Amino acid sequence: ETGVTQTPRHLVMGMTNKKSLKCEQHLGHNAMYWYKQSAKKPLELMFVYSLEERVENNSVPSRFSPECPNSSHLFLHLHTLQPEDSALYLCASSKRHVTTNTGELFFGEGSRLTVL
Amino acid sequence: ELKVEQNPLFLSMQEGKNYTIYCNYSTTSDRLYWYRQDPGKSLESLFVLLSNGAVKQEGRLMASLDTKARLSTLHITAAVHDLSATYFCAVDKDDKIIFGKGTRLHILP
Repeated sequence: ETGVTQTPRHLVMGMTNKKSLKCEQHLGHNAMYWYKQSAKKPLELMFVYSLEERVENNSVPSRFSPECPNSSHLFLHLHTLQPEDSALYLCASSKRHVTTNTGELFFGEGSRLTVL
Repeated sequence: ELKVEQNPLFLSMQEGKNYTIYCNYSTTSDRLYWYRQDPGKSLESLFVLLSNGAVKQEGRLMASLDTKARLSTLHITAAVHDLSATYFCAVDKDDKIIFGKGTRLHILP
């Protein structure tokens, strides 16, 4: 298996539920990202893990909690979400801090989240 | 705070015509990316521009970067229907890659 894989592809949850989104990359990259894509604010950067260090985006509500156990896996834990959190959540990976690489992002297919 | 602005945000054009999408950004960076997104799909990398004056071409698309002006352009030559999609530019700064709002391109047959 190659590339960036996200699961689940679709998720419907109530406001009191707890769920997690999973992302796995098989590209040998050392940085992983979560982006939120909605009609109102296309492609907002939520979190970055680079060389296994987390780069904060202070505008992300605490009901979103990322976890990066190793360089190949990234999770986004969701709890007590709001309907306005409904969006497409995209995971991406890249190779950073190596002079010969381009740093471009490779995206997964996304997880479409609906909060009722 | 890095800001990335694209224009136009929507472009409807006829097949065979030429047009340019512009991407301006607010702080210094020497890495800029262009991506394509088809409806219901994820983002696909088109071009990586790594230095001032860089120019890349693939088929009917050509991208360029002017780091002094903080401007990148994506030029479409003799557009065809298959190029209908949303195009995003993204700027790389301090481990963060920030995207513009995207340009929705609709090419009429």
